[in-house]
Amino acid sequence: GENVEQHPSTLSVQEGDSAVIKCTYSDSASNYFPWYKQELGKRPQLIIDIRSNVGEKKDQRIAVTLNKTAKHFSLHITETQPEDSAVYFCAASNAGNMLTFGGGTRLMVKP
Amino acid sequence: DTAVSQTPKYLVTQMGNDKSIKCEQNLGHDTMYWYKQDSKKFLKIMFSYNNKELIINETVPNRFSPKSPDKAHLNLHINSLELGDSAVYFCASSQAGGKETQYFGPGTRLLVL
Repeated sequence: GENVEQHPSTLSVQEGDSAVIKCTYSDSASNYFPWYKQELGKRPQLIIDIRSNVGEKKDQRIAVTLNKTAKHFSLHITETQPEDSAVYFCAASNAGNMLTFGGGTRLMVKP
Repeated sequence: DTAVSQTPKYLVTQMGNDKSIKCEQNLGHDTMYWYKQDSKKFLKIMFSYNNKELIINETVPNRFSPKSPDKAHLNLHINSLELGDSAVYFCASSQAGGKETQYFGPGTRLLVL
């Protein structure tokens, strides 16, 4: 089955700096890669996703890149703000339509 | 307008008891899921149903039994609760399988004493 690894597990940045979270996956048949944000005590919510026919996708301050050859994808957040503080999860969906989540990254943005 | 709702929000119970968690979605989605999030925040899929039929059943003890009376509801019944079952359980739904946005419910925090 699919295995998704996510790094780092914790990330602390200063407000205004950029944050990068990286994920690798094992199943070359995976073709859908969403990112979820989970604030403390809340539900995970989709913030951006990318499909395998695209190498990069942007939405305002967040962007995701995908390297299918290397089987890794990354989340980039620019101009971080305190409200970006949360746990971020990457995930990969394989041919079996099952979403496998990475272990999560706790992002702390210091004002 | 609640999209995916779960009840109860909190559940505290003794070991050995049986309990149920209910989930409902009003998004018209075909697929519903149950996830378990442990104390380390790791999210793991337990079950997936598509149009009331079981699609995915990960390695979950058979004390856990999902039931889908219709495609808008997916309930989770747990028999003989154990300490290790303590976690947050999330219900989710999506339009069609695992390649579309999944909308999560608010979660049910289960504590087994």
